[in-house]
Amino acid sequence: TQLLEQSPQFLSIQEGENLTVYCNSSSVFSSLQWYRQEPGEGPVLLVTVVTGGEVKKLKRLTFQFGDARKDSSLHITAAQPGDTGLYLCARKYGNKLVFGAGTILRVKS
Amino acid sequence: NAGVTQTPKFQVLKTGQSMTLQCAQDMNHEYMSWYRQDPGMGLRLIHYSVGAGITDQGEVPNGYNVSRSTTEDFPLRLLSAAPSQTSVYFCASSYLGGDTEAFFGQGTRLTVV
Repeated sequence: TQLLEQSPQFLSIQEGENLTVYCNSSSVFSSLQWYRQEPGEGPVLLVTVVTGGEVKKLKRLTFQFGDARKDSSLHITAAQPGDTGLYLCARKYGNKLVFGAGTILRVKS
Repeated sequence: NAGVTQTPKFQVLKTGQSMTLQCAQDMNHEYMSWYRQDPGMGLRLIHYSVGAGITDQGEVPNGYNVSRSTTEDFPLRLLSAAPSQTSVYFCASSYLGGDTEAFFGQGTRLTVV
């Protein structure tokens, strides 16, 4: 059972396009983390969102935490080939960190 | 600062063989964990530990054993490898509690034939 649902599973876009990926759960999160994983590497933390309605920006990446704290989104403006990778959301269940299945993003030049 | 170090990076096993995947961290993190990553399934938690001498099962523990004798090391043992254990394995560590960042090793790509 996937406790975190991510969509879409795969996204292939041209350089310069905008995109949004989503992370949803049927239960309330206390907080949510977004990681990016490049081929052959382990995931690296991008951001943690903790407050309902919170918006955080990291250069061209905008992260939003839903008001009800059951969903989150990652929006990338003017995607670059360097944004290519696997984007994972994750949340804590007690001490355990549990991940969604991820969104594979491919940005073509 | 080495962070999280996993060895080996690649391994091929025959069905029924045993092996140990090594993981070491130098950040004095209390929490360590093992994940496996398969296409389309993200990272699935195998086992985790909140400190030396304390381990617990994750989502997919069958076929794997762990122990935590020191803060730094958290080896993962495959007792009798099966083709279904072909995967990429990641070790991660973090401080306990709150929204702490998890640091990952570079992974071990295991093939069981």
